[in-house]
Amino acid sequence: DIQMTQSPSSLSASVGDRVTITCRTSQGIRNDLGWYQQKPGKAPKRLIYAASSLQSGVPSRFSGSGSGTEFTLTISSLQPEDFATYYCLQHNSYPLTFGGGTKVEIK
Amino acid sequence: EVQLVESGGGLVQPGGSLRLSCAASGFTFSDHYMDWVRQAPGKGLEWVARTRNRVKRYTTEYAASVTGRFTISRDDAKNSLHLQMNSLDSDDTAVYYCARSTVSTTHNNIDYYGMDAWGQGTTVTVSS
Repeated sequence: DIQMTQSPSSLSASVGDRVTITCRTSQGIRNDLGWYQQKPGKAPKRLIYAASSLQSGVPSRFSGSGSGTEFTLTISSLQPEDFATYYCLQHNSYPLTFGGGTKVEIK
Repeated sequence: EVQLVESGGGLVQPGGSLRLSCAASGFTFSDHYMDWVRQAPGKGLEWVARTRNRVKRYTTEYAASVTGRFTISRDDAKNSLHLQMNSLDSDDTAVYYCARSTVSTTHNNIDYYGMDAWGQGTTVTVSS
C-alpha cells in the first residue's frame, strides 16, 4: 500500500496569508494525486487534479505542484471561506489512499 | 448538474447487514467508475470500494478492511450504485459517501481515475 504523509496536521493562519500543505508518498505515483477541501458536515470537494491542474470553478488562489513522491497545495491568499480541512488522495494504485488531513484554522 | 444522493444508512447491531444506495443524475452514469468512501466520526477519509464501468466489465476493488464483507455493485439502467455491507462491527461506523470518478491522468495509454464529485453522505452506526 502507498502511505500518504500529509503535513502539517493543522495550522493557524490569518486572512491574506500564504498557506502551503505538503503530501509525501511512500513510493512514486507520477502525478496521480488530487487535493480536496472539506468543510464541517459537508462532502469533500476536489480542488486540484493531476497534481497541478485546477478543477473547473475553483478560485485561482489554489494551486498544486509536485510529481513522484512530493506534492504541495498552496493557497496564495487565504480567504475566510478557505478555513476547512484539506486532504490529498493518490489514485495511482490500489488501495486508493488519502493523506491524514490538514485542518486550516483562523489565527 | 451532477447529483449523487446516498440512502440506506441507519443504526445496525454488530454482526448485522445494511445496503447503501446512491442515486446518480446529471451525467452519463455508465461511463464512469464509482467509489464508496467513508469517514468515521472525527477522523479522516478512507476509500472503501470501487466499481469500474461496462468497458472494464464492472470489475471491482476493495480496501483490505472490508474485503469479504462488503460488495459494491451498480445498475446502469437505473443510474444507481450500491454497497452491501455484512458482518458489520463498530469500526464500520462512519458517514459513507458515494463518489464519481473520472479520468484524471493518463500514462502509457492507461487511464487513471480520480474522484471528482461526491454525494452528501449517509450515516451508518453500528452499535448494540
